[in-house]
Amino acid sequence: GAGVSQTPSNKVTEKGKYVELRCDPISGHTALYWYRQSLGQGPEFLIYFQGTGAADDSGLPNDRFFAVRPEGSVSTLKIQRTERGDSAVYLCASSLRAREDEQYFGPGTRLTVT
Amino acid sequence: AQSVAQPEDQVNVAEGNPLTVKCTYSVSGNPYLFWYVQYPNRGLQFLLKYITGDNLVKGSYGFEAEFNKSQTSFHLKKPSALVSDSALYFCAVRSFMEYGNKLVFGAGTILRVKS
Repeated sequence: GAGVSQTPSNKVTEKGKYVELRCDPISGHTALYWYRQSLGQGPEFLIYFQGTGAADDSGLPNDRFFAVRPEGSVSTLKIQRTERGDSAVYLCASSLRAREDEQYFGPGTRLTVT
Repeated sequence: AQSVAQPEDQVNVAEGNPLTVKCTYSVSGNPYLFWYVQYPNRGLQFLLKYITGDNLVKGSYGFEAEFNKSQTSFHLKKPSALVSDSALYFCAVRSFMEYGNKLVFGAGTILRVKS
């Protein structure tokens, strides 16, 4: 079946602009996660949704970052007033249930802020 | 303190030889442990997990890992390496007591298998 998909695959934006990154999880997966991966590092947690609600947003670095999942399926990560330090690969993952199940990752969106 | 440590930045092994990629963790309670592999320009692929039960878990592509509670380790192993196994490997831990449902990843280990 279809895996996790993310769009766009690449995004180049100017400092100060607003960007939206989209994630389509595996159908039926109730849990959705966003991570950020910088070059040479492991993924770092940003936010986790169970259904429509953000169950844990402790990884969001500041209030410029926000994510939604209004219908419990597709999620959008929104970044306001982008900074060069936001450049990274943003990964989305989903799992059938939150607790025991492994997370399946999408291919990521590479964000470059110039 | 680092929750997950992968002490080797890179592991080199000859094709056909056994391979080990090391992972140690330092979290409270009974963590869940995972291994993922990342090929260039691709997302992370799940290999295997330890939740409970048998300490030796088997996963995709002939990989296995052994959970050792006394040594707080979860090393990834394969009896006979293939050139196609060359990739970046990540160990991850989920500790509900400390972190809730999120995965905490190690820094990754590059595996190079030479023919």
